Amino acid sequence: DAGVIQSPRHEVTEMGQEVTLRCKPISGHDYLFWYRQTMMRGLELLIYFNNNVPIDDSGMPEDRFSAKMPNASFSTLKIQPSEPRDSAVYFCASSFSFKPWEEDTQYFGPGTRLTVL
Amino acid sequence: AQSVAQPEDQVNVAEGNPLTVKCTYSVSGNPYLFWYVQYPNRGLQFLLKYITGDNLVKGSYGFEAEFNKSQTSFHLKKPSALVSDSALYFCAVRDSPSGAGSYQLTFGKGTKLSVIP
Repeated sequence: DAGVIQSPRHEVTEMGQEVTLRCKPISGHDYLFWYRQTMMRGLELLIYFNNNVPIDDSGMPEDRFSAKMPNASFSTLKIQPSEPRDSAVYFCASSFSFKPWEEDTQYFGPGTRLTVL
Repeated sequence: AQSVAQPEDQVNVAEGNPLTVKCTYSVSGNPYLFWYVQYPNRGLQFLLKYITGDNLVKGSYGFEAEFNKSQTSFHLKKPSALVSDSALYFCAVRDSPSGAGSYQLTFGKGTKLSVIP
């Protein structure tokens, strides 16, 4: 398996522009997570999905952030409008649970480094 | 709420010496504990986990971790450090089904390990 795939790897945009980050989880995984990593705040969970349904989005910073998972093999994280403080590395991770609450090792993608000027 | 602490921002060790990266946690029920490693410009890679059973857990690349319930610790260890072990190490915890925590993993701030030749 190719692992979790994220695109783009790097994104540089100007304040006010819309940014869309993409993720393809490992085939067969039923959980998908979006994280943000910054020097100041470390690794933060933004939102996670189970079987394509958002379960907990309490980590989403504000309404400018939205995430979708239209099918089991694709998810997007959108920021509109973007701001300089959104500059960070955004990671997608996926995991498989044989049954609820069991075996939840998460496998991370390489990340998207976002710079908002 | 569940939490995890990595008390050292940085650990320096000479090549060939044993290394320890510390982690303590807090959960309401029984903990599920994980260690991840992050190399520069890469995503997090799973190293090892403790769910239940033997308190000494062996993982990838010769790493191991010891679960100590009385001290609420899960320190990462390796008998002989390699220069290639230099990276950022994250401890993570989530609560078990019997606890009050959520499914999500809570990550520590990370510890930068530098192995000196």
